[in-house]
Order: sequence, then C-alpha cells, then structure tokens
Amino acid sequence: NAGVMQNPRHLVRRRGQEARLRCSPMKGHSHVYWYRQLPEEGLKFMVYLQKENIIDESGMPKERFSAEFPKEGPSILRIQQVVRGDSAAYFCASSPMTGLGGEAFFGQGTRLTVV
Amino acid sequence: GQQVMQIPQYQHVQEGEDFTTYCNSSTTLSNIQWYKQRPGGHPVFLIQLVKSGEVKKQKRLTFQFGEAKKNSSLHITATQTTDVGTYFCAGELAGANSKLTFGKGITLSVRP
Repeated sequence: NAGVMQNPRHLVRRRGQEARLRCSPMKGHSHVYWYRQLPEEGLKFMVYLQKENIIDESGMPKERFSAEFPKEGPSILRIQQVVRGDSAAYFCASSPMTGLGGEAFFGQGTRLTVV
Repeated sequence: GQQVMQIPQYQHVQEGEDFTTYCNSSTTLSNIQWYKQRPGGHPVFLIQLVKSGEVKKQKRLTFQFGEAKKNSSLHITATQTTDVGTYFCAGELAGANSKLTFGKGITLSVRP
C-alpha cells in the first residue's frame, strides 16, 4: 500500500503562471487535507475535501486558489497567477475517517518556488 | 474559530536532559494527535489520544491528554540527537467533518 503521493516534489513557476499540485491519497482514504508551510513555520490549514466535496475551505485564500478531489484521480490544488508570496511547501495528507483512527498520513510535499 | 497553541516555538536542550512541551486548545477536543517532522521532511504521525486523562508511552516519549480534553503534553526522557525535529500537536473537534487543526509546532534541538 503506497503512501500518500505528491507530485511534483519541486515546482518552479514565474510570477503570473499557474501551479498545479497533485496528491494521490493512500488507498482506501477518502479524506484529503492540504496544508501550507512557510520556512520555520507551522502547518497552516488550507482546505479539507472528501470525494467530490469541499468540506472546509476556510484556510484557503478566496482568490487564485482552488482545490478539488474528483471521484477518480488525484486531488488537485491549483494556484493561478502565482506571486512570490506563494512560495512555500504544500503538504497533502489523507485519512480514512475522522475521529478514532483518523490519523493523517502526509505526503512528502511539493516545494513551490515562484521566481 | 478553533485554535491550537504551542509555546514556545523553539527549545534547545543538552543531550540526556528531559524535555516537556505542551499543547493547548481553545475548545474541547474529541481527540488530539502528535506528529514529528524532521528537518527537510514531512510530518509523521506519532500518536493519537482520545480519552480524558489518557497517557500513552512510546519508548522514551510519554503523551498525556488533559482531563478536560483541552490540553496535552509530550515528555521525552533523556533526549538524544535523534529526537531533533519539530513536534506538532493537532486537535480535532467532535462531530462529523471536523478538520485537524495543527499547532505551530515546537522545534527541538539537542546539543551533543
């Protein structure tokens, strides 16, 4: 059972381009979280999704950011018209459920650099 | 909204010393989890606590959930250089569709 797979591991974009970050959860996991981490800082919640549904997007900027978790395929975090301040590590985590047994398994992250 | 706080953000200890850190929530939690992130790595799940007053041990690490289910502690006995990293607590509220909210973490450095 492969772990949570994120790709690409490193992504460089010029200001104004689009960044698409992919996350394949562990097999059997229907809950996906996206977190952003700046250097020397903690994990900032962005969005929580279940299959085909956005459950909580309270941590995601209203503009330029969107996320989806389709019925088939990976979860996608999209950042349009990137700016330098979007440079960060973006971690995806999946879990099989909430509550007992709902520990989150993290991917290795995508390190986005905007130049 | 729900807040999970970890203070301080950094702590330095001498190898062999004990280390304790705390995690406090503004709201009662259904469960609390602890994660460890090594430098350059990704967070890795350590433990989940569910019951009020629960204590769990993993070798030199002891985790405790407060009686009111609003705080938790992590204690490391006789720290080693392999303990370096950032320790995050994450709390989850009761109810369906409750997200995991992470604290800012505490970065532990160990002097050999």
